Amino acid sequence: DTVLTQSPALAVSPGERVTISCRASESVSTLMHWYQQKPGQQPKLLIYKASNLASGVPARFSGSGSGTDFTFTIDPVEADDIATYYCHQSWNSDTFGAGTKLELK
Amino acid sequence: QVTLKESGPGILQPSQTLSLTCSFSGFSLSTSGICVSWIRQPSGKGLEWLATICWEDSKGYNPSLKNRLTISKDTSNNQAFLKITSVDTADTAIYYCARRGLGAIDYWGQGVMVTVSS
Repeated sequence: DTVLTQSPALAVSPGERVTISCRASESVSTLMHWYQQKPGQQPKLLIYKASNLASGVPARFSGSGSGTDFTFTIDPVEADDIATYYCHQSWNSDTFGAGTKLELK
Repeated sequence: QVTLKESGPGILQPSQTLSLTCSFSGFSLSTSGICVSWIRQPSGKGLEWLATICWEDSKGYNPSLKNRLTISKDTSNNQAFLKITSVDTADTAIYYCARRGLGAIDYWGQGVMVTVSS
């Protein structure tokens, strides 16, 4: 299995820039995707194939990386962005990261 | 408009077989490139991919659960199915079905809660 390691919970203030990392245990090319999940809701696709913004997603969200190291950025953070963010690779079967919980300072 | 909705038994006993149905609209599983996946999430925990079935009937399973999973589809009725045999309490979770597109999972159902309890 390809293991995805995400940065731990982060505390942010509205208006700040936040970066979440995801490291894969082996190369996943650019088949890395990012999702937002709010409590009681299903996940929502934000970024696909490392850097592509999903339809209707604000340009405050962005992604980059290839191979084993990927980053997801929100700039600027808004209060509504408080959620858990998951990375997901689909290069070698499918695996998800453990999630990064974004909290307000 | 793409929608997916999961249905299941709600509660079942250990050792039973869990049968889940995904009913969808807004796309067809006979369209080239389209796949449907099942993912689950225990309460308060992360996401676990279970299985995927694609338009040409190819299938993929989570290696750690492969022996217990069977995914299938009914293209004419816009449904996908997942069976999990020999369930135990560790299978208690919200089960999502989702469409795969853009290389990712682009649409998710609302999820269905399944509890395994004696």
